Amino acid sequence: EDQVTQSPEALRLQEGESSSLNCSYTVSGLRGLFWYRQDPGKGPEFLFTLYSAGEEKEKERLKATLTKKESFLHITAPKPEDSATYLCAVQVRSNDYKLSFGAGTTVTVRA
Amino acid sequence: DSGVTQTPKHLITATGQRVTLRCSPRSGDLSVYWYQQSLDQGLQFLIQYYNGEERAKGNILERFSAQQFPDLHSELNLSSLELGDSALYFCASSPDFASQYFGPGTRLTVL
Repeated sequence: EDQVTQSPEALRLQEGESSSLNCSYTVSGLRGLFWYRQDPGKGPEFLFTLYSAGEEKEKERLKATLTKKESFLHITAPKPEDSATYLCAVQVRSNDYKLSFGAGTTVTVRA
Repeated sequence: DSGVTQTPKHLITATGQRVTLRCSPRSGDLSVYWYQQSLDQGLQFLIQYYNGEERAKGNILERFSAQQFPDLHSELNLSSLELGDSALYFCASSPDFASQYFGPGTRLTVL
């Protein structure tokens, strides 16, 4: 069975204090790995899709990387508005295109 | 704003009742996915439709059903509701079976 594990569960950062979130996965064949941001009571907001090991994508203060077993989401010099839950999801090579999500990392950035 | 709309935003009902959740995908997207998010289970895939036809099923209960109409909007029907069905229900749409864009969700409370 496909497994997606995110760590840590929660992360408290001071404004400007860079850090990384981890998403490790065990799947039968990865089609793509996705990162989403979710604010409380809102729908997940699409951030990145990564398809192959070595791939990197950036958006503002966020940078996502992918290896054969895990992905990292780096937050550089975070601001309070970066506070959210960050979700990682995998899509495997199969006839369906569902996303299997990890439990998420809740990031709190203090001013 | 992802472009995916869901109604209603909130729904409060009693055990044993039946409700219908509605989703309009982004313009041009043929795929619609339904997910359930609860505190203990996280985001779980329920069902996928593509251009009016069921494409894939996840852990969807027999009491739940869905359909996609010719205008591509989708409805998720939940019947014989139980307390444990209380959750956020999200619809997502996709232009290419890859990136999925989520709506704002419907919060269902079963009393």
